[in-house]
Amino acid sequence: GIQVEQSPPDLILQEGANSTLRCNFSDSVNNLQWFHQNPWGQLINLFYIPSGTKQNGRLSATTVATERYSLLYISSSQTTDSGVYFCAVGGGKLIFGQGTELSVKP
Amino acid sequence: DTGVSQNPRHKITKRGQNVTFRCDPISEHNRLYWYRQTLGQGPEFLTYFQNEAQLEKSRLLSDRFSAERPKGSFSTLEIQRTEQGDSAMYLCASSWDSRNNNAEAFFGQGTRLTVV
Repeated sequence: GIQVEQSPPDLILQEGANSTLRCNFSDSVNNLQWFHQNPWGQLINLFYIPSGTKQNGRLSATTVATERYSLLYISSSQTTDSGVYFCAVGGGKLIFGQGTELSVKP
Repeated sequence: DTGVSQNPRHKITKRGQNVTFRCDPISEHNRLYWYRQTLGQGPEFLTYFQNEAQLEKSRLLSDRFSAERPKGSFSTLEIQRTEQGDSAMYLCASSWDSRNNNAEAFFGQGTRLTVV
């Protein structure tokens, strides 16, 4: 089956810093999504991005499908950005990575 | 539409009891997925429905687990004879998928199960 690897597993930032989260996947996919899991466990949709680049405020994402990776950029980080970020890929059902746990310090 | 809704939000049960969870998807979505997430891990796929048909089941879904989507709308996930290893967050998601387009999936708040 498809393997999904996220890096780094943990990241600590000072408020205002920028960061890049990476997602590598082992096979071609029709769907790639980035989620932020809030402290209560709900997965919040950030991007649906099987290919190309999208931006939403301080967040942007790029997927290079031919090279099987995706990047999530967070600029000017805020404490509310803390939490776990998941990349998930698939063609219907989603296969999740292990997540990147981000902690933003004031 | 209020999004994907799951009930209950929390469930504590004694080992050996049966539990049932409900998921109400986004109304126009034809696909409904169940996932399980344990502490420190990403969600793992359990099963999915296209309308009322259950099309795939993971090997994680033991014989004690059963899922239904009788009218192609809401779904239930039942766990019989619960074990402590069943303690996890159970997540439901829905999407509108056609043959050539796997669309964005949206998740509910989850049901956190604790087996004591």
